[in-house]
Amino acid sequence: EPEVTQTPSHQVTQMGQEVILRCVPISNHLYFYWYRQILGQKVEFLVSFYNNEISEKSEIFDDQFSVERPDGSNFTLKIRSTKLEDSAMYFCASSEGLAGLGTYEQYFGPGTRLTVT
Amino acid sequence: AQRVTQPEKLLSVFKGAPVELKCNYSYSGSPELFWYVQYSRQRLQLLLRHISRESIKGFTADLNKGETSFHLKKPFAQEEDSAMYYCALNPLAAAGNKLTFGGGTRVLVKP
Repeated sequence: EPEVTQTPSHQVTQMGQEVILRCVPISNHLYFYWYRQILGQKVEFLVSFYNNEISEKSEIFDDQFSVERPDGSNFTLKIRSTKLEDSAMYFCASSEGLAGLGTYEQYFGPGTRLTVT
Repeated sequence: AQRVTQPEKLLSVFKGAPVELKCNYSYSGSPELFWYVQYSRQRLQLLLRHISRESIKGFTADLNKGETSFHLKKPFAQEEDSAMYYCALNPLAAAGNKLTFGGGTRVLVKP
């Protein structure tokens, strides 16, 4: 069964450094998402992406964050200048269509644990 | 804005006992509700959704719009049900298709 993959599984970086988290969504999926989960807190939506554009973003997704689909397979999340509070598990997800149509579910990757020191 | 609340952080039950995980939501429109499960060292995966109205692994959940709830139930818990369970809401017909999650309930089924 196809799966969403994410690399790396764990990233340690120093405050102020740029990080890029990578995701390979399921190949026939059209919608892509990033979520994060700070330790002990809820899974929070960051951004959704469709047709090479951001569809929706949360308040968390400020100018320090950006997303890109640089080729036909990867979907990346970049944090330009990391802060201590960016330490979290970051989940990528993809779906074939919009769940509002009652058919499509979001498939999640295993996550990347980002530790900012 | 939508909100999902799971009041229990931990539920501990014995094998064969019933288990019910509570989920309440607030949203002014028509939501789509989901239960996601995360087994130890595995990824989040969809357990069930209210639209499909089916039973998965013995679990059922009914959307109660009057009480704004979507509680998850299983009459006889098994040890393999031990996991983290998340209730999630998607606002129907909203652009972007984002999920709003509850805080999660850890279920521990004891032998």
